[in-house]
Amino acid sequence: QSVLTQPPSAAGTPGQGVTISCSGSSSNVGSNTVNWYHQLPGTAPKLLIYNNNQRPSGVPDRFSGSKSGTSASLAIRGLQSEDEADYYCAVWDDSLDAWVFGGGTKLTVL
Amino acid sequence: QVQLVQSGAEVKTPGASVKVSCRVSGYSFTGHYIQWVRQAPGQGLEWMGWINPNNGGIKFAQKFQGRFTMTSDTSINTAYMELSSLKSDDAAVYFCARVRGPVVAGPFDAFDIWGQGTEVTVSS
Repeated sequence: QSVLTQPPSAAGTPGQGVTISCSGSSSNVGSNTVNWYHQLPGTAPKLLIYNNNQRPSGVPDRFSGSKSGTSASLAIRGLQSEDEADYYCAVWDDSLDAWVFGGGTKLTVL
Repeated sequence: QVQLVQSGAEVKTPGASVKVSCRVSGYSFTGHYIQWVRQAPGQGLEWMGWINPNNGGIKFAQKFQGRFTMTSDTSINTAYMELSSLKSDDAAVYFCARVRGPVVAGPFDAFDIWGQGTEVTVSS
């Protein structure tokens, strides 16, 4: 069971928006910045959002991140078929003294 | 461009050890921490540990203490992880990843560039 809780699945149609949540605690999300990764089947994860809401160069502005208290969210607007992937949140946990990942959310574009 | 290239797939028997390499290019190897993450089949991501290639400093996730080693060779810009006493549930894809920020800022930044992954099969 993951320290960070994500919904196992999410879905939307092309052009729609979807939000993926990441719930943690005061020792992780509540006190450190959250990063988001996406992973296509059979490939390595790629950084999507860092420091809660920053996009690396090359990531479209359709992707945005936010954090409030012990929860973080990834929002994707204007869904495209290529967005179909697994999405993971990650954050440093001060109590566990370790990086922790959410269990992952499988996004389906219908 | 910045690249992390890992060694090829491995098949090991229970109790054996596996060593995976991660050769970096396109940036200063000693300028960024390297993290190791694994992913069991059909499962999520699990952090294993980090190494500071600049001074060899390491930190392990507690569950791997005692059978997990990380090293680096600055002469060939390569980081290594070695997991010993392999069990069936160590079967996974093992990834190395670069920490985005400079090494002086510590290992707590995002993992911005990942290796392609190395599949380790553990089977008798």
